[in-house]
Amino acid sequence: AQKITQTQPGMFVQEKEAVTLDCTYDTSDPSYGLFWYKQPSSGEMIFLIYQGSYDQQNATEGRYSLNFQKARKSANLVISASQLGDSAMYFCAMREAGMYSGGGADGLTFGKGTHLIIQP
Amino acid sequence: DTAVSQTPKYLVTQMGNDKSIKCEQNLGHDTMYWYKQDSKKFLKIMFSYNNKELIINETVPNRFSPKSPDKAHLNLHINSLELGDSAVYFCASSLGNMNTEAFFGQGTRLTVV
Repeated sequence: AQKITQTQPGMFVQEKEAVTLDCTYDTSDPSYGLFWYKQPSSGEMIFLIYQGSYDQQNATEGRYSLNFQKARKSANLVISASQLGDSAMYFCAMREAGMYSGGGADGLTFGKGTHLIIQP
Repeated sequence: DTAVSQTPKYLVTQMGNDKSIKCEQNLGHDTMYWYKQDSKKFLKIMFSYNNKELIINETVPNRFSPKSPDKAHLNLHINSLELGDSAVYFCASSLGNMNTEAFFGQGTRLTVV
């Protein structure tokens, strides 16, 4: 079973509109972290935002916010006031606590990504 | 002052050859990774090292061998390259705890012809 599901392979959005990119996850581990990355056409992976499973508040970073609904196991990325430069692939990823102490060495499990295109 | 740098950025080679991709990070991180991104953009972890110790070895052909001479370097050596090895390979590093992001290198696009 997929651990991270991104149901929107592609999205077209008008510039300046808000965008919601969907992500659902599957884990039985009570301790996990959720991450969003952006990959522009140039290919690099850019970290955007992080949400921990025990965090009470939704994470925000500038124009990015994470709509975390733990009971539904969803972690949607919201981009406010979209810009042409937001056009890119967006990946949701999860790290579980895992067997290794701290879980950091377990690496990230990625979803298949959403290709977002912002139209002028 | 690049945080995670990998070389080369592009690698075109013939089937059957052996090649290496080098990765270095100057962030002082304990944990380094190799990820593979296929033609459909799907990213999958291959290996994880913590303080030069192999932690994760996903189901990867044994033609792929990571080597970590020190905790700032994690190189990937690939023997007997096959057409299906064509992909973008990303090196990454992190602090090694669960709530910190991974920093990625710029990727190496490997094309096997």
